[in-house]
Amino acid sequence: GESVGLHLPTLSVQEGDNSIINCAYSNSASDYFIWYKQESGKGPQFIIDIRSNMDKRQGQRVTVLLNKTVKHLSLQIAATQPGDSAVYFCAEIKSTGNQFYFGTGTSLTVIP
Amino acid sequence: NAGVMQNPRHLVRRRGQEARLRCSPMKGHSHVYWYRQLPEEGLKFMVYLQKENIIDESGMPKERFSAEFPKEGPSILRIQQVVRGDSAAYFCASSPFREETQYFGPGTRLLVL
Repeated sequence: GESVGLHLPTLSVQEGDNSIINCAYSNSASDYFIWYKQESGKGPQFIIDIRSNMDKRQGQRVTVLLNKTVKHLSLQIAATQPGDSAVYFCAEIKSTGNQFYFGTGTSLTVIP
Repeated sequence: NAGVMQNPRHLVRRRGQEARLRCSPMKGHSHVYWYRQLPEEGLKFMVYLQKENIIDESGMPKERFSAEFPKEGPSILRIQQVVRGDSAAYFCASSPFREETQYFGPGTRLLVL
């Protein structure tokens, strides 16, 4: 399944399928990006980060892709599990700034 | 190494009362950030502090809200004369350096009756 950030705030996928969550960031000067996962009633949890000098970074079952040309960030989750159900936020910051800017978030529901 | 601690986890106040939210950063972290989250929305930056200094408070309302991070003890977000619109989840995050990953606490859920 695939979402387009602000336009599709919810995404449902079957357990075992791959998930793609998208984020369009606004500031071309941003050079550090993070994906956070927030489960209901909890604080955001760091998943993976990427700096602007990279196009791709892989973690355990997750991959982040950065396309600076179109200011687009995506999070790919392989073999999605029920425990992946949560809201996913992308956050951006520029090196001269003090604050992260968070997107609205995408709610991922994994169907067993 | 304990994570970011916030207390209380839930706080109920009546209109006009004061709310005090506390945040203890991770050990070794000297940068603290406060965010507000309304239901079904993303996190909105409020203020960024280092020990004894407010670095950026551009996201904090000019009235009724204040924050501090004293040399000793937790960071405090203080909301005076609360109104119903202040009801939200308030998250604190900390990092070892300014541009580094921010680690979040569990949040304080404020309900104003």
